[in-house]
Amino acid sequence: DIVMTQSPDSLAVSLGERATINCKSSRSVLYNSNNKNFLAWYQQKPGQPPKLLISWASTRESGVPDRFSGSGSGTDFTLTISSLQAEDVAVYYCHQYYNSPLTFGGGTKVEIK
Amino acid sequence: EVQLVESGGGLVQPGGSLRLSCAASGFAFSNYWMNWVRQAPGKGLEWVANIKQDGSEKYYVDSVKGRFTISRDNAKNSLYLQMNSLRAEDTAVYYCAREIESSNFWSGYGYWGQGTLVTVSS
Repeated sequence: DIVMTQSPDSLAVSLGERATINCKSSRSVLYNSNNKNFLAWYQQKPGQPPKLLISWASTRESGVPDRFSGSGSGTDFTLTISSLQAEDVAVYYCHQYYNSPLTFGGGTKVEIK
Repeated sequence: EVQLVESGGGLVQPGGSLRLSCAASGFAFSNYWMNWVRQAPGKGLEWVANIKQDGSEKYYVDSVKGRFTISRDNAKNSLYLQMNSLRAEDTAVYYCAREIESSNFWSGYGYWGQGTLVTVSS
């Protein structure tokens, strides 16, 4: 199984400051035949289902603010919120869909400092 | 508008069974891999199972193999999860989720239902 390890477990960031979340996979999720990383990022607010922010490691979904960006390849990935807004308070998960069993990171809780 | 609506959750005793349903609308259901993902109270996300467009391939997390069965009825635009021999650790909100892309590759979950709560307790 591919284990997804997120860090930190939680972080508190001032409004307007940068938030950085890391995700490391135990094996590469880069598919060589199409050079795509099978890695997504989701945002989940209390009482709501997760919302897809980023797919293929760096492709922002339609309607997602451009302050959210994804980067990385192979086994190391990062979700960056360039300027934290109040509405970004949530838990963020990385997810590999490279092979079964599909797995999620443990989540990172982002709060306002 | 894409909609996924789960139903069938509830309280069940250990060892019991439940069948979850997910009614899909607003897209060509038969073109997409479909998934069940669960979340125990206060915990993270756990993928449970998925099924190919025509039902010919199914995958499960180890903890539910032999107990849960995923299925679909493309004529009814519906996804199912038959859960048998339920355990306390199966207590969770169960989400139905659709892949972003209609392809042979998995692509991440662009659409989620609101979830249905399954509670396994005596």
